[in-house]
Amino acid sequence: GAGVSQSPRYKVAKRGQDVALRCDPISGHVSLFWYQQALGQGPEFLTYFQNEAQLDKSGLPSDRFFAERPEGSVSTLKIQRTQQEDSAVYLCASSLWGQTEAFFGQGTRLTVV
Amino acid sequence: DAKTTQPNSMESNEEEPVHLPCNHSTISGTDYIHWYRQLPSQGPEYVIHGLTSNVNNRMASLAIAEDRKSSTLILHRATLRDAAVYYCILRDLITQGGSEKLVFGKGTKLTVNP
Repeated sequence: GAGVSQSPRYKVAKRGQDVALRCDPISGHVSLFWYQQALGQGPEFLTYFQNEAQLDKSGLPSDRFFAERPEGSVSTLKIQRTQQEDSAVYLCASSLWGQTEAFFGQGTRLTVV
Repeated sequence: DAKTTQPNSMESNEEEPVHLPCNHSTISGTDYIHWYRQLPSQGPEYVIHGLTSNVNNRMASLAIAEDRKSSTLILHRATLRDAAVYYCILRDLITQGGSEKLVFGKGTKLTVNP
């Protein structure tokens, strides 16, 4: 399909393990966002890219979280030394630059045990 | 970002209209009012947005108060597939620092009874 694709859908990590979550945005979308959603809460902003430039990373909770989008399309969210509090659904969204509608993927559910 | 206030939950019966309220008393002149909804186990999806005038699309209608301090999302005939969490979000027309992020609250959980 032509939607935002995230992989894996589910990830179980042992505490202390590093994980990498992938997002394939809609082709041609300049803007890309990562959000974290804890159970029963609304999504919380993590970081924003415009093409390959990371313009806002104010929502990243610690220096264990790192995101990249080297060629301005696919993005990876990396979490180092995972902790139990990192357990959440990680959502990726993309939109055309200057457009208002954001398209979200189905998310990656991360469980840290 | 300006804040919005929504009821935690609402219930409706199938095929009846649903009016989902949102208060945003500190809205600025350049804030657009956006609505997204999130179905179970899905990412949020765009529903509708507006600035001052009422708006209609195939999914819903958005009624905006004259003073813009509140708005109402209207689903004309609720179906079981409309059961979701509905988020009312203010988004500044003038982005600061280039970030176009959406700031979600807790939203309203809509239950639709058959």
